[in-house]
Amino acid sequence: AQSVAQPEDQVNVAEGNPLTVKCTYSVSGNPYLFWYVQYPNRGLQFLLKYITGDNLVKGSYGFEAEFNKSQTSFHLKKPSALVSDSALYFCAVRDIYGNNRLAFGKGNQVVVIP
Amino acid sequence: EAGVAQSPRYKIIEKRQSVAFWCNPISGHATLYWYQQILGQGPKLLIQFQNNGVVDDSQLPKDRFSAERLKGVDSTLKIQPAKLEDSAVYLCASILSGLHNEQFFGPGTRLTVL
Repeated sequence: AQSVAQPEDQVNVAEGNPLTVKCTYSVSGNPYLFWYVQYPNRGLQFLLKYITGDNLVKGSYGFEAEFNKSQTSFHLKKPSALVSDSALYFCAVRDIYGNNRLAFGKGNQVVVIP
Repeated sequence: EAGVAQSPRYKIIEKRQSVAFWCNPISGHATLYWYQQILGQGPKLLIQFQNNGVVDDSQLPKDRFSAERLKGVDSTLKIQPAKLEDSAVYLCASILSGLHNEQFFGPGTRLTVL
C-alpha cells in the first residue's frame, strides 16, 4: 500500500528563517503527492501537489516542495517563515491502486516564533 | 465558489448514544469522502462515494457506522451506538473528477463522546 511518513512531530523556526517540513513516501509506481495545511478548528487546505514534471513544485502562500525520487522524499519548504504559518501540515500520497484514496502522514506541527 | 459545508461543527454525546453528521460538497463534485481524524493523527478515510454509489468503505466500522448519499449530492454519516474511541474530528471532502485533482475539505465536525 502507498504510504507517507513525517518523521518529526513539531518543527520550531524563528520568523524570517527558512522552514522545512519533511516527508518521505513509499509507493508502487509513480507517486502522486500532496501537501495540506490545517489551521485550528478548520478543515484541511490544499497547498501544492506533485504529479509529474519539474521536481520543484510551487504552491500557495509562498510554499514550495521538492520531489526527490532517489531519496523518496517530498519536503515542503518556505524561504522565510511567517508567524501566520504556524499550523499543522500533512503530507499525503494518492493510492492509485486503492480507488485513489489519499493516505495521510501523521502531520507536523509548525511553530513559528516571533 | 462555495466550499464544502458541514454541520454541526461540534457535538458532545454520551457513549451508546447516536449521532449524525451532514455534508454538502462543492456543486458539481461527484466524488465525496468522509474521513476520521483522531487527535495527533492524520485523517483516515472512512468511506468514498461516487455520485450515490459507494466506491470504498473498506475502513468503515460497519457494525456502528453508516453513511448514505441518496441523491448523489449531500451525505450523512451516522454512528450508532457511539463509543469513547469515536471521539475525533469528522471531515468531509469532495473532488472534481480527475486523477490529479486535489480534494477540498469542509471545516469538520468535532465529536466528543463522554
